[in-house]
Amino acid sequence: EAGVTQFPSHSVIEKGQTVTLRCDPISGHDNLYWYRRVMGKEIKFLLHFVKESKQDESGMPNNRFLAERTGGTYSTLKVQPAELEDSGVYFCASSRRTTGQNEAFFGQGTRLTVV
Amino acid sequence: RKEVEQDPGPFNVPEGATVAFNCTYSNSASQSFFWYRQDCRKEPKLLMSVYSSGNEDGRFTAQLNRASQYISLLIRDSKLSDSATYLCVVNFITGNQFYFGTGTSLTVIP
Repeated sequence: EAGVTQFPSHSVIEKGQTVTLRCDPISGHDNLYWYRRVMGKEIKFLLHFVKESKQDESGMPNNRFLAERTGGTYSTLKVQPAELEDSGVYFCASSRRTTGQNEAFFGQGTRLTVV
Repeated sequence: RKEVEQDPGPFNVPEGATVAFNCTYSNSASQSFFWYRQDCRKEPKLLMSVYSSGNEDGRFTAQLNRASQYISLLIRDSKLSDSATYLCVVNFITGNQFYFGTGTSLTVIP
C-alpha cells in the first residue's frame, strides 16, 4: 500500500510569489489533514477534510492560504502571496477511521522557504 | 495553556538505559492517544497507539492515566537507533484534528 505522498519535497520562492503544495493520501482514507511546523515550534493544525468537504479549517492562518480537495482524492494547499513567515515544513496526513483509535499517517512533508 | 505539553528534553542516555517520557493533555474528554517518532528532517511516524489499559510493543510500553490526564512512554534497553524526537499526539474527538506536543528529544549515547 502506498503511503501519503507530497509534492514538491522542497520549494524556495520569493516573497509575493504563489506556491501550490500537493498531497496524495493513502487510498481509501477519507480524512485528510494539513499541518505545518515552523522553526522551533510544535506541529500545528491547519485544516481537515472529510472526503471533499472541509470539516475544520480553524487552523488556517489567514486568507492567503487556500486548500482544496476536489473529488475527495488528492488535496492542494496554495499560498498566495507568500510571506516570509510562511516558511516551514508543511505536512499532510490521512486517516481512515472516525471511530476508535484513528491513527494518522504522514507524508514526508514539503519544506517551504520564502525569501 | 497548551493542549498537549511535553518536556522537550534533551534526554541523553547511555545504550541499554531505560528512559521514560511523560505528556499531559488539557481536554479531559480526549479520545485517542498516540506516540509518534520523528527523525531529523523526516515526517512523524506512528510508534504506537496508547490504550486505556496500557500496552507494550517490544521494548516500548505506553500508559494512559485519564484521571491525571497524562500519557507516558517507557523505552527499555535503549538502542542507538532510538535516538529521535518523540511526539505525544492527542485526538480530542476521534476523526478530528490531532494535537501535538512539542516533542521530546532523545539521544542514546554509545
